[in-house]
Amino acid sequence: NAGVTQTPKFQVLKTGQSMTLQCAQDMNHEYMSWYRQDPGMGLRLIHYSVGAGITDQGEVPNGYNVSRSTTEDFPLRLLSAAPSQTSVYFCASGQYTGELFFGEGSRLTVL
Amino acid sequence: GDSVTQMEGPVTLSEEAFLTINCTYTATGYPSLFWYVQYPGEGLQLLLKATKADDKGSNKGFEATYRKETTSFHLEKGSVQVSDSAVYFCALGNTGFQKLVFGTGTRLLVSP
Repeated sequence: NAGVTQTPKFQVLKTGQSMTLQCAQDMNHEYMSWYRQDPGMGLRLIHYSVGAGITDQGEVPNGYNVSRSTTEDFPLRLLSAAPSQTSVYFCASGQYTGELFFGEGSRLTVL
Repeated sequence: GDSVTQMEGPVTLSEEAFLTINCTYTATGYPSLFWYVQYPGEGLQLLLKATKADDKGSNKGFEATYRKETTSFHLEKGSVQVSDSAVYFCALGNTGFQKLVFGTGTRLLVSP
């Protein structure tokens, strides 16, 4: 009963380093998305995908890259980490009912 | 663009007290409205939803009614428990998929 799995749960980076946050879901959902959660700002959409091979930008896409080669996986890449990208990142998936299923989150600190 | 405004927290209550968390929205068209809950150290999970005006969503003793005339979707519970302590997010969805717009979240703290 895995649902949405995110790795890693915690990561510390230095400014300028790159990394990939992994997200996998086993519910055969077409829709997947990445949000970041910051104090006082709620959740903000970074990128989303409505199916394999299709991605689009959300509200705060700068500094992030995504791809969707399979239905199951939706990795988020930080190209050159900046302190402003210190945040908690959530991956979510869903179908056309409006309900999103979230992973447990990945806490990223950029020094 | 679409937006959601929630009351700021934290909301601090004693067990068995009545809870209201206010949520208002701005949107074009006819959005669906949601309440999500985030327990400590976990991701968000859907608490309840309403898809059209005057619908009432309910789950685990929580209720919210979609009020189009006041553009509101306030969350209520008649008697809170310590286990309800969490962060509650109001959200709206106004497209064909799940590009949800979230409020800033309201932290609820319930003491015994």
